[in-house]
Amino acid sequence: GAGVSQSPRYKVAKRGQDVALRCDPISGHVSLFWYQQALGQGPEFLTYFQNEAQLDKSGLPSDRFFAERPEGSVSTLKIQRTQQEDSAVYLCASSFSIWDEQYFGPGTRLTVT
Amino acid sequence: QKEVEQNSGPLSVPEGAIASLNCTYSDRGSQSFFWYRQYSGKSPELIMFIYSNGDKEDGRFTAQLNKASQYVSLLIRDSQPSDSATYLCAVNPRQGAQKLVFGQGTRLTINP
Repeated sequence: GAGVSQSPRYKVAKRGQDVALRCDPISGHVSLFWYQQALGQGPEFLTYFQNEAQLDKSGLPSDRFFAERPEGSVSTLKIQRTQQEDSAVYLCASSFSIWDEQYFGPGTRLTVT
Repeated sequence: QKEVEQNSGPLSVPEGAIASLNCTYSDRGSQSFFWYRQYSGKSPELIMFIYSNGDKEDGRFTAQLNKASQYVSLLIRDSQPSDSATYLCAVNPRQGAQKLVFGQGTRLTINP
């Protein structure tokens, strides 16, 4: 079946703009994760959903970052008033259950100018 | 001390040889361990996972886990140029906490 999909694949935003990044997990996967990957670094955890419940948002770097998954499927990561330090690749991953391995989408490369 | 540490490399290995990638972690309560491969400009791709001490083999790949030493490794036998990528070690730090903590990755180059 289809893997994790993310859109847009690339986003250029001017500093101060709001952006919304979408993730469509593998069908049937109840767990969904967002990670941020800076150039040359490993991904860093942002937040985690079990169905529609956001169970861990400890990795969100500031209150400008907000994530939701209202129907337990598609998720949106929103960044308000973007800053240059927000430039990174935002990766979404899903897993069948909380105990299973995570599969990553292609990522959204965000560049804030 | 970082939670998950890897040598960033680059690690250069001749084609056909064994590539050995290493990772240490700080949380002794960590439960599960993963190796992801990431080609330049692409997303991480799961290669192997291991939960128990010892070796786990899958084709040309072998994952090794030593919880007493807090050490996990990945061996790639008969290395191919297509194995050239960054290899990310990821750890689930404790039971019930589902986030993965990643190392910074080791860049591997297989020379023909």
